[in-house]
Amino acid sequence: AQKVTQAQTEISVVEKEDVTLDCVYETRDTTYYLFWYKQPPSGELVFLIRRNSFDEQNEISGRYSWNFQKSTSSFNFTITASQVVDSAVYFCALSPGPGYSTLTFGKGTMLLVSP
Amino acid sequence: DGGITQSPKYLFRKEGQNVTLSCEQNLNHDAMYWYRQDPGQGLRLIYYSQIVNDFQKGDIAEGYSVSREKKESFPLTVTSAQKNPTAFYLCASSSRTSTTPDTQYFGPGTRLTVL
Repeated sequence: AQKVTQAQTEISVVEKEDVTLDCVYETRDTTYYLFWYKQPPSGELVFLIRRNSFDEQNEISGRYSWNFQKSTSSFNFTITASQVVDSAVYFCALSPGPGYSTLTFGKGTMLLVSP
Repeated sequence: DGGITQSPKYLFRKEGQNVTLSCEQNLNHDAMYWYRQDPGQGLRLIYYSQIVNDFQKGDIAEGYSVSREKKESFPLTVTSAQKNPTAFYLCASSSRTSTTPDTQYFGPGTRLTVL
């Protein structure tokens, strides 16, 4: 069975602080994919990134960066110089492989960035 | 613009009534999904469909029904058998391939309240 744990329920930071959202996963599959989604107050989930289990290279996209470590089964997400617009619920998710597959979501981390 | 639309945005239902939530996509995606989100919880899969005229139960299918008569449409009916239907419902779709990961893209959601 697959499982995703986001231990941080809620994080509050002040604008311009860096913040890291943790994601720990469990799977018996050798091939799997990890995702991060952002859910702003409007409710729609916005896709941020997809990573496969064979690619442990960290990725940076503007103020966002992701640290994938197979050894600790973690896929953490860092926002550098946070902004008020980053306030949202962030979900980490796991799927078993390419092609069609369902997603297992963590419970999400609510990030509140205050000015 | 290509995307996923859900209607209505807000829906109120009296106990004992069935209601149908609409989900339409013009992304030419093969697979479609319905999720339920409760406060402080992650997304839980209700039903999914890989192709027209075929669908499978997810983790919490009891009290719900779906149909997939057209590729673009995947309506969800919340029946009176669903004991606690008040929740936020999200529809998603993805392009099914055998070699690339199956990223799901989400609609804006429907908030259902039972009075």
